[in-house]
Order: sequence, then structure tokens, then C-alpha cells
Amino acid sequence: GAVVSQHPSWVICKSGTSVKIECRSLDFQATTMFWYRQFPKQSLMLMATSNEGSKATYEQGVEKDKFLINHASLTLSTLTVTSAHPEDSSFYICSAPRAGGNTIYFGEGSWLTVV
Amino acid sequence: KNQVEQSPQSLIILEGKNCTLQCNYTVSPFSNLRWYKQDTGRGPVSLTIMTFSENTKSNGRYTATLDADTKQSSLHITASQLSDSASYICVVSANVGNNRKLIWGLGTSLAVNP
Repeated sequence: GAVVSQHPSWVICKSGTSVKIECRSLDFQATTMFWYRQFPKQSLMLMATSNEGSKATYEQGVEKDKFLINHASLTLSTLTVTSAHPEDSSFYICSAPRAGGNTIYFGEGSWLTVV
Repeated sequence: KNQVEQSPQSLIILEGKNCTLQCNYTVSPFSNLRWYKQDTGRGPVSLTIMTFSENTKSNGRYTATLDADTKQSSLHITASQLSDSASYICVVSANVGNNRKLIWGLGTSLAVNP
């Protein structure tokens, strides 16, 4: 079964509203989680690294005020797309590495459609 | 510049046939190389993880090879099935200071036809 869970799987929102996506590690603690965005027929693009108890690290070109990341506990990271626009419509995926090993688990992804 | 290049970009094969996907990388310092399978609209699923010292690793009908000298990897799929239709992504991990950075290839889109 899944070890990293994302919610919601898909969401449709109106332009200008905010949307929150949750990423949970189910049977292990994750001090670090990664958020990716994937446009159709393209590879995953790292947006930011979520760090438990501290600020997220954003990749170049990713607006931290638009994509708010909160890693409030060792099993939960959230990505909030603020003031969403149609161009934010994409597939958002989180991942979490299990401590002490090389395995990185991915969530099932969340489809965001902004209308 | 750290890069991961995959070929072919897309591939169509008949069910039951074998195929090989290629991955060339220029990543330093190299930590490990991963192959993922991603079904459309789903999160990636790990197939293999290979470290510097490993040359071959199998996972069922998937066999990955790694040549650290030439910085090449391949993923061989044996006796393909319709369910193998997906995108296969090569990801190379580099340790940069205290951080691990993943460099993603663009993937090979595989279609297995009956």
C-alpha cells in the first residue's frame, strides 16, 4: 500500500482562490519532503524542499509567496497555491525520503484545475 | 552542468517483445541512479536504485545496468506486457554538501501494443 498519501487527488477551483494540498507519510517520519509540479508530457520539476520545523527551500523561479509550504509535523507537509490562476493548473506530486536509506516514496499526485 | 538525457523519447513495441531504454548523465558528485515508472496521472514508482559499485540490478522483468565510467545506464524490459505502457524516468542523485539533489531525465514514453 501507499506509504505517502496526497489529498486531494484532484481539485477544481476558481481563479483567485487558494487551494491546499496535503502530503502525509503514513508509516515513517519525514523531516524532509519534496514538492514537484508536472505539466503534460513533461518530467517532474522540483518546486521546493519542505523541512520540518523550518522554512522551505524554494527552487529558482518558484514564488514562495504564491506556493506556501508548511511542514508542521514529521508526517505532514502542505502546499497552498494562493490566488490560483489557470496557468497554475498542473499535476502536483510530493515525495518523502525514508531516513537512513536511499528510498524515496512518492505520493499519488494531485490534479489541480483552475477555472 | 548536471544533466540527465534519456533516449528514445518515445517507443512503441508489441506485447511480448523486449526493449531497452537508455540514460546518459553528467552529474557530479554521483550518489546513485534510479529508474522510475510513471503511469499517466500517477506518482512515480521506483523500479531500481543503483549505487556507484553496482553494475546490474533486476526487479522482475526489469533489469537496469550502470556503467559509472561512461556514465550510462540502461533499463531492459523483458517480455513486455500491456501494463508496461508508461513513462520511464531516469533520475540521478548527487550529494551537494549536506543536501541530496535529484536530477530528472525527461523520460521515455513506452507504449506496448497488443
